[in-house]
Amino acid sequence: GDSVTQMEGPVTLSEEAFLTINCTYTATGYPSLFWYVQYPGEGLQLLLKATKADDKGSNKGFEATYRKETTSFHLEKGSVQVSDSAVYFCALMRSGGSYIPTFGRGTSLIVHP
Amino acid sequence: GAVVSQHPSRVICKSGTSVKIECRSLDFQATTMFWYRQFPKQSLMLMATSNEGSKATYEQGVEKDKFLINHASLTLSTLTVTSAHPEDSSFYICSARDWRQLNTEAFFGQGTRLTVV
Repeated sequence: GDSVTQMEGPVTLSEEAFLTINCTYTATGYPSLFWYVQYPGEGLQLLLKATKADDKGSNKGFEATYRKETTSFHLEKGSVQVSDSAVYFCALMRSGGSYIPTFGRGTSLIVHP
Repeated sequence: GAVVSQHPSRVICKSGTSVKIECRSLDFQATTMFWYRQFPKQSLMLMATSNEGSKATYEQGVEKDKFLINHASLTLSTLTVTSAHPEDSSFYICSARDWRQLNTEAFFGQGTRLTVV
């Protein structure tokens, strides 16, 4: 079945540091890939997405590229801020029908001033 | 993006009582709703999937008689925790998508923190 593997957290960085959160997936066919962010005490918000190979999703300075050859969708940001502290979830979903989103376990990011 | 509104955001109830959580899609038709329970250290556990007008499909290990899900319209789904016990205390999150649309993402509610005392 489908699965998503994320790097274990927490990831602790200083403000303005470079961020990478690794995500790899296993799926049949050509799923769409997503990153969601969860701030403390809140639900999940869609951060970015990519629907086909080599697509790059970007939002709020975050980027991720759909790499089919390595089945990866790593999240990157060039300069993190304290306000980026949150939990980040990588997910995949197939279109149509009632396909269930498949989530990674989430990676907690802590950014210190 | 589309908006999913979940209510209440926090609820405290006494052991043995029932609690209803509502999940509404405000600007799209939610053909499919998902209910998750989030445990400490953030992992999301899918509890059930429901399609509008159909009975919910529960994941293995989730008691359907305890967690009643109703998805009677394209904009509203409810989760009722019946005869709640302290071990049911958790963060519950709903999610909705419209599989008829080209976009495939699911949109999430704000979550409900349930505390059973």
